[in-house]
Amino acid sequence: DVKVTQSSRYLVKRTGEKVFLECVQDMDHENMFWYRQDPGLGLRLIYFSYDVKMKEKGDIPEGYSVSREKKERFSLILESASTNQTSMYLCASSSQDGHYGYTFGSGTRLTVV
Amino acid sequence: GENVEQHPSTLSVQEGDSAVIKCTYSDSASNYFPWYKQELGKGPQLIIDIRSNVGEKKDQRIAVTLNKTAKHFSLHITETQPEDSAVYFCAAMEGNNAGNMLTFGGGTRLMVKP
Repeated sequence: DVKVTQSSRYLVKRTGEKVFLECVQDMDHENMFWYRQDPGLGLRLIYFSYDVKMKEKGDIPEGYSVSREKKERFSLILESASTNQTSMYLCASSSQDGHYGYTFGSGTRLTVV
Repeated sequence: GENVEQHPSTLSVQEGDSAVIKCTYSDSASNYFPWYKQELGKGPQLIIDIRSNVGEKKDQRIAVTLNKTAKHFSLHITETQPEDSAVYFCAAMEGNNAGNMLTFGGGTRLMVKP
């Protein structure tokens, strides 16, 4: 069964901490995405990547950075966590061979206190 | 860029009734329209999709229709069951988007009352 795995389901961090959210896919997908999901605001794109070492800003990149050193892994970094970054974070991947669906991970619920 | 609007934001139906969720999109070049179901505490899962060369697609109790002229597409769930309760997202892919980027609607929370 193909998978997108997010390293943590629940995470609690303190304000000002540097936070790493990890995402790994086993489908050899070229594209990977990080979304943030808040009540009433749907899915908002933070960053995405089309290839190794490549990254593009999404709609809400402020306060975040990403790293893609290997094709299967896409990391989201909160440089200095703030309480307004408390949210559900979803990672997704997709291929470029014509099968367009996204495969999502189970999400990481991050609480910043 | 593409803009996708989804209605209603919440929908409550009685078990056994039908549910319809509607989405409109702005980019006439969009050519792929998936629907995702997100159960509580889980990531969204693809449940059905349709491409722009098809007007309707069915999979058991769910169906999707596409009207390219009006730029809208709909999800139909018949004989709803309590396990259909979830948040549903529609999405559209821009036709010239090499990166397979989807634009999502705002989501519909479907509640099926037993």
